[in-house]
Amino acid sequence: DGGITQSPKYLFRKEGQNVTLSCEQNLNHDAMYWYRQDPGQGLRLIYYSQIVNDFQKGDIAEGYSVSREKKESFPLTVTSAQKNPTAFYLCASMDRLYEQYFGPGTRLTVT
Amino acid sequence: AQSVTQLDSHVSVSEGTPVLLRCNYSSSYSPSLFWYVQHPNKGLQLLLKYTSAATLVKGINGFEAEFKKSETSFHLTKPSAHMSDAAEYFCVVSGRGGGYNKLIFGAGTRLAVHP
Repeated sequence: DGGITQSPKYLFRKEGQNVTLSCEQNLNHDAMYWYRQDPGQGLRLIYYSQIVNDFQKGDIAEGYSVSREKKESFPLTVTSAQKNPTAFYLCASMDRLYEQYFGPGTRLTVT
Repeated sequence: AQSVTQLDSHVSVSEGTPVLLRCNYSSSYSPSLFWYVQHPNKGLQLLLKYTSAATLVKGINGFEAEFKKSETSFHLTKPSAHMSDAAEYFCVVSGRGGGYNKLIFGAGTRLAVHP
């Protein structure tokens, strides 16, 4: 089955700790994206990558970092610098016709 | 620049009645348009997409949308709502900015379906 996997589904961390969210795809897509979703709101773009070893900041990149060492993988690190990290995080990849394919999401809770 | 506005944040219908979720877009060129659905604590699933072919687009689960260029609208409809349709729906327009291909998401419309 082709698709996007995110792990874990739920993640709990103490304030001040960095945490890394996993995103893997086997769709052979070049472009990958990370979004943040807060209750009752749409999706906001954190980072995107159009190709391996390249990534760019989205609209709300402060307090986050990413890497793209492999085509299949685009992990997101939520650092202690992120003021309000508790949210639902969605990873996606995009095909050449602009269709995005989403993972199931990771709900991060920081206390 | 591209933008998308979903005109209703909440829509409530009775099971078996029609569904209408409204979306207006703004784009300086012919965009691709999408509707995605999100069930609680899940990722987004594509319902349908318009990519400059037929203006009436049929999607999964009985949903369809009509692209109206003169009205810059892409409203989502379904003739008869089912309880399982209760979810959040996002209208999305393709765009390009800062040298990359991107999607611009509307704020979402929460659909409630009552027995």
